[in-house]
Amino acid sequence: EIVLTQSPGTLSLSPGERATLSCRASESVSSPYLAWYQQKPGQAPRLLIYDTSSRATAIPDRFSGSGSGTDFALTISRLEPEDFAVYYCQQYGSSPRTFGQGTRVEIK
Amino acid sequence: QVQLMQSGAEVKKPGASVKVSCKASGYTFTRYYMNWVRQAPGQGLEWVGIIDLSTGGTNYAQKFQGRVTVTSDTSTSTVYMDLSSLRSEDTAIYYCARGGDWYSTFDSWGQGTLVTVSS
Repeated sequence: EIVLTQSPGTLSLSPGERATLSCRASESVSSPYLAWYQQKPGQAPRLLIYDTSSRATAIPDRFSGSGSGTDFALTISRLEPEDFAVYYCQQYGSSPRTFGQGTRVEIK
Repeated sequence: QVQLMQSGAEVKKPGASVKVSCKASGYTFTRYYMNWVRQAPGQGLEWVGIIDLSTGGTNYAQKFQGRVTVTSDTSTSTVYMDLSSLRSEDTAIYYCARGGDWYSTFDSWGQGTLVTVSS
């Protein structure tokens, strides 16, 4: 199974700052099957990015995804108050589909 | 709009089984797939399995093979996840999540069902 390792575990930033979240795979991810989800307390995850770099419906353009092979990133260009949450990467190109352990973006 | 409505919280004893339902609306049921994902308290996300809603074909994570069964009822647009031989480590929120294909992202999620396993 493909293990996804996210870093950092926690990112402490202020509104307006740029956030860069990393997701590294234990082996190459079947291209382009890497997604990012956002989860807020008490809520189900929400799809942000699919196919490595495509934004899901209604996701603002301050969210962007990039990468290939084993190294992927989610960038939030300018943090808004509603962006403070936990973010998970997921590979869905092979079974079992696997998730990273999450990166918490918190207000500094 | 797409809605996935899950059944309510469950409390089970070790060794028992639980059946969680997920009723879909707002789209053509059989054109999609449904996944089950769980999240233990304070932990990350773990994929359990998937069902092809047009054929009933399933695929499960090896960890759950033999203990999980996912079925669907196309007449009511409802998907079920049955997990047996429950242990304390199965305590988690279980989500249904729609997928467009065997290998696709999960574009809509249910609200989650808390399953607590405790003696």
